Amino acid sequence: QEQLVQSGGGVVQPGRSLRLSCAASKFSFNTYNLHWVRQAPGKGLEWVAVISHDGSNKFYADSVQGRFTISRDNSKNTLYLIMNSVMPEDTAVYYCTRELANFDIWGQGTMVTVSS
Amino acid sequence: AIQLTQSPSSLSASVGDRVTITCRASQGISTALAWYQQKPGKPPNLVIYDASSLQTGVPSRFSGSGSGTDFTLTISTLQPEDFGTYYCQQFRSFPLTFGPGTKVDIK
Repeated sequence: QEQLVQSGGGVVQPGRSLRLSCAASKFSFNTYNLHWVRQAPGKGLEWVAVISHDGSNKFYADSVQGRFTISRDNSKNTLYLIMNSVMPEDTAVYYCTRELANFDIWGQGTMVTVSS
Repeated sequence: AIQLTQSPSSLSASVGDRVTITCRASQGISTALAWYQQKPGKPPNLVIYDASSLQTGVPSRFSGSGSGTDFTLTISTLQPEDFGTYYCQQFRSFPLTFGPGTKVDIK
């Protein structure tokens, strides 16, 4: 069935970088806008970023603007989130999600822990 | 940014009960609102989109209503599998925002 499978994540020191990946299967990847959403431990959902279907438009939450970059490779059906200058408050489960009738398909989530 | 508030923050109800959760936006968002159910350790699951449209595969006991600033999610007859945390989300403008969530427990 249509799915998003995430990889990357783990423990990273403050100030360092990390890349998350999200691979799509069984749907036309290049026709959908894609988003990243995160959830700090025990907390609610926070939208992080969006990229348009062709990669031409991107928007970010203020909390990550200038530090995170969302990108996609439509030839590989893969979405990325490059996290630079990470801070302890970036510790969360990160989800990729597809935009159709809002967020209809989600990745399984990947944990990012920022700690020295 | 558009702020979303939800009430109640938590509730405990019995199987068969009618449950209502409300979501209020800080400014008008037309019907650009979705509801998600999330269970522990799992990603959210879309329940309602465009304020009142039922997502494919979601039981018909779920319904949504509202427009502008006030929205409601109703579970007509609560089932054991309906436990979890419910979040509203606005799609009217960036940054997209979620409500703080309503935790539903089964008595």
